Amino acid sequence: DVKVTQSSRYLVKRTGEKVFLECVQDMDHENMFWYRQDPGLGLRLIYFSYDVKMKEKGDIPEGYSVSREKKERFSLILESASTNQTSMYLCASRGTGTGRSPLHFGNGTRLTVT
Amino acid sequence: QKEVEQNSGPLSVPEGAIASLNCTYSDRGSQSFFWYRQYSGKSPELIMFIYSNGDKEDGRFTAQLNKASQYVSLLIRDSQPSDSATYLCAEHTGGFKTIFGAGTRLFVKA
Repeated sequence: DVKVTQSSRYLVKRTGEKVFLECVQDMDHENMFWYRQDPGLGLRLIYFSYDVKMKEKGDIPEGYSVSREKKERFSLILESASTNQTSMYLCASRGTGTGRSPLHFGNGTRLTVT
Repeated sequence: QKEVEQNSGPLSVPEGAIASLNCTYSDRGSQSFFWYRQYSGKSPELIMFIYSNGDKEDGRFTAQLNKASQYVSLLIRDSQPSDSATYLCAEHTGGFKTIFGAGTRLFVKA
């Protein structure tokens, strides 16, 4: 079974802090994704990566950056955390054959910015 | 803008009944559709995928795809209280992105 591991389940940070969310997958998937999920707004794509060192903006990239130095690891960075970034963050990976491969999600990180 | 629409619910059904969850999509070129289940406070998990017109069955679950009408549905037979969750319909585009519906909350009453 594919395992996607997010480093923290709950995180509390102060406004202005730089925040790192880490995600590791063990299935050698090329594609990795960061979503945030908010009540009433559903899942929104922040960034994705289709290869090492490659990244693409999703629908809501403002205030975030990403890093993919190794195939198995995809990090989300909040450059200067703000209260409107309080959310559930979900990492996902997917193999090749993108049209018919499902997303595999990590357990999520609930981030609170105070 | 490609969209996937779902009724947010909640959809309430008695235990043992059939729950019917529906989803419409805007992109006629869409090929693949996925249903994910998400329990409260947990991450989404795959239930089924479908990419051919017609029905696909897996245990108590049946996915239906009608490309002419641009809708996808998920039927849950013999609904159990443990099926109570939010069900997300998702469309995988030809590229890398997945478009999610907002989800339908299902409540199965014991």
